[in-house]
Parts: sequence; structure tokens; C-alpha cells
Amino acid sequence: EVQLVESGGGLVKPGGSLRLSCAASGFTFSNAWMSWVRQAPGKGLEWVGRIKSKTDGGTTDYAAPVKGRFTISRDDSKNTLYLQMNSLKTEDTAVYYCTTFRQPAHWGQGTLVTVSS
Amino acid sequence: NFMLTQPHSVSESPGKTVTISCTRSSGSIASNYVQWYQQRPGSSPTTVIYEDNQRPSGVPDRFSGSIDSSSNSASLTISGLKTEDEADYYCQSYDSSNPWVFGGGTKLTVL
Repeated sequence: EVQLVESGGGLVKPGGSLRLSCAASGFTFSNAWMSWVRQAPGKGLEWVGRIKSKTDGGTTDYAAPVKGRFTISRDDSKNTLYLQMNSLKTEDTAVYYCTTFRQPAHWGQGTLVTVSS
Repeated sequence: NFMLTQPHSVSESPGKTVTISCTRSSGSIASNYVQWYQQRPGSSPTTVIYEDNQRPSGVPDRFSGSIDSSSNSASLTISGLKTEDEADYYCQSYDSSNPWVFGGGTKLTVL
């Protein structure tokens, strides 16, 4: 069974940084392309970014609102996906979900990030 | 960039059939697969349809997906509605420049 478990969310001040983790199991993580998707309170889903598998180049793509501030990385030896978030803004407040990228996508339970002074 | 437009809300009675539309603003709906996600209140999304009309294992065959090139839209149809189907539903597609684009979501109420 595919499992994705996010962690690392919390309260951070504007301009601050936070790193989210996503522990994966139940599939061959090293072969998987992975994504982060976020959902602001009471709003819809917004794609954040994607990382390809190392065998497919390991490259990353980001949505315009987070490009240059957020970085996705992976540690295949730990079956873990990361989202490093810098220069956080109040509009980054959301639940952040880790997902597999290829279909059918599997989703984690999410971790809440609150950016507030 | 293209957009996917969904109705804000739909409602129907238990046992009936409901269809939720998802219209693509530019580019052909048939050029890139469409997925549908269900998000029950307080839960994370789950995939109910992928690649236009494929159901993941465990999703009942009451859920079906289709595309219509004439209206440049995709549809999610749920038959034999149950109260447990009450949820938000999001369509999603992509193109060469935008890996994942979501519709705004449709709130389904099963009265």
C-alpha cells in the first residue's frame, strides 16, 4: 500500500524559512516523480512543484508564485521528499500535500504551514 | 497558460445521477489527459478518475469520466448517488509548460 506522510509544518513569521518532509513507502520511491500541492484555507488546490526521478534527470519545475523561493529535493536512500521554503509570505499559508506525480496519483494527509507575525 | 473552469456547486438526491463539467480555456481537452480528485470534508484528496476515464482500484464503477471535444470539456459522472459522495471534486490536466493545472473545484451536495 502506498503511504505518504508529511511532516515539518508549523507557524513561521513572514520572511522566515521552513522545511517540509514526506516519508514514502509501499512503492519504489527512487523511480517515482513526485510533487507538492498546496491548499490555502477554504480554497482550492494549487500545484507547487515537481521533481523527476534521478534516472530521468532529477530536474525540478515550480509554479510561478513560488519559483526562486521554494526548492524541492529528494533523498532516495531515505525514501524522503523535501520542500525547502524560504522568504515565506502570508499567502503561503496552506496545507501542503506530497503526491506521486504519475497517475493514478497518491496523496499524503498534508501538513499545515501558517505564515503570520 | 490555460484554465480549467468548473461549476462552483451542484446538488442532487441520493440514488440519482450527477455530472460535473470541466471546461478547458485554450488548447484541446483531448490533447492531455484529465484527472479527477475527490476531497471529502477534513480529508486529503484521492484520485477517482485518471487518464480521462480510468478508475483506480477500489473506486466504484458508479464513477466515470469522459471528454467532449466539441465543448472542449471533460465530465465526471456519478451514478447511484450516496451520501458518502458528498465532497469537493477537482479536475486536473496539464500541457508542455504547466505540469499540473487544477480546476477551481465543485462542491457536490447530496440532499
